[in-house]
Amino acid sequence: DAKTTQPPSMDCAEGRAANLPCNHSTISGNEYVYWYRQIHSQGPQYIIHGLKNNETNEMASLIITEDRKSSTLILPHATLRDTAVYYCIVRVAQKYGGATNKLIFGTGTLLAVQP
Amino acid sequence: SAVISQKPSRDICQRGTSLTIQCQVDSQVTMMFWYRQQPGQSLTLIATANQGSEATYESGFVIDKFPISRPNLTFSTLTVSNMSPEDSSIYLCSVADREGVNTEAFFGQGTRLTVV
Repeated sequence: DAKTTQPPSMDCAEGRAANLPCNHSTISGNEYVYWYRQIHSQGPQYIIHGLKNNETNEMASLIITEDRKSSTLILPHATLRDTAVYYCIVRVAQKYGGATNKLIFGTGTLLAVQP
Repeated sequence: SAVISQKPSRDICQRGTSLTIQCQVDSQVTMMFWYRQQPGQSLTLIATANQGSEATYESGFVIDKFPISRPNLTFSTLTVSNMSPEDSSIYLCSVADREGVNTEAFFGQGTRLTVV
């Protein structure tokens, strides 16, 4: 699996958009970009994933650059409950055989939402 | 989404003893994984629990230290053997389905282990 690079920490004002960057310059054509977050003392929570198109769900938006070497997770209106460590992970997601769908975590970004 | 229950949620153990952690899922899943999270650190994958066969361990982890069982598609155990204070960590169970291209993994709340 390709490695990712994230800033160790970021601050965001409550109610504002939080934009979390991730670099994955060695990503392969069949690797997806996944985002998880871990709120203190809890297990990681799935947020969103994508291959090359931008994706949006009820939690966040994922913007992937055209060359797929970087992406940005956007929390449109951050709240205090969004304070967590956010992990950007790239992995292969194959239907049969080959990849095991395992997730390899990097160090992540600690997002602190300020009141 | 899958609901994962881990037991115990926390424990304090004496060095040299062993602890078995259970992971129960509310639905059948093809993939089960065990992670370790040391204090202040990110998650490290220990192994993939394979149903009916030996687990697949990541580099730096061995079966003698972390034996894993997976008797069926909804249950797995991880044993931390001959514990030392360095084994104090949160141990997390994760599940995913191989079927389907876009698969996501779900995590339990973890077992917080302190070895004294």
